Amino acid sequence: DAGVIQSPRHEVTEMGQEVTLRCKPISGHDYLFWYRQTMMRGLELLIYFNNNVPIDDSGMPEDRFSAKMPNASFSTLKIQPSEPRDSAVYFCASKGTGSGNTIYFGEGSWLTVV
Amino acid sequence: SQQGEEDPQALSIQEGENATMNCSYKTSINNLQWYRQNSGRGLVHLILIRSNEREKHSGRLRVTLDTSKKSSSLLITASRAADTASYFCATDNFGNEKLTFGTGTRLTIIP
Repeated sequence: DAGVIQSPRHEVTEMGQEVTLRCKPISGHDYLFWYRQTMMRGLELLIYFNNNVPIDDSGMPEDRFSAKMPNASFSTLKIQPSEPRDSAVYFCASKGTGSGNTIYFGEGSWLTVV
Repeated sequence: SQQGEEDPQALSIQEGENATMNCSYKTSINNLQWYRQNSGRGLVHLILIRSNEREKHSGRLRVTLDTSKKSSSLLITASRAADTASYFCATDNFGNEKLTFGTGTRLTIIP
């Protein structure tokens, strides 16, 4: 299996621009998670989906952030407009109901907003 | 908010020595897991221990769980240079699919 695939791996953008991060979960997994990692705040869960439906978005920092999962093999995390404080590594992760509670992470999208 | 706090924040040891990292958490849990993160990479699952278990082994890894103290420890025996990474504990609650991660321990193995 290819694992969780994220794109882009690195992005540098100017403040105010729209950023779209993409994720392809492991085939057959029915849960998808978006995490953000920073030095100051560590790993934070932003939102997670079950069977493409958002279950808990309480970690989404503000209205500038939105996430969608139009089908079982694709999800996006969008920031509009972006701000320098959004600079972080954004991880997508997935898990299958039958695989216990282990989640599998992608390699992350490194976002820098200047 | 973070459920777990790892201790120490950073640890440097000589290759071949044992490394012990601790994790404390705040609320009741269903499972506790340990993950490793190499620099610039995603997190990789190492081991899971359930709330009704006290100790678990996997290769050179030994995990203990003390639910009365709300704490866990990860022991890596006979450390290798390749063990250099950050290690995170993660907890989940009954009926909740969310994993909440601790602050991490940065382990450096000196060849």
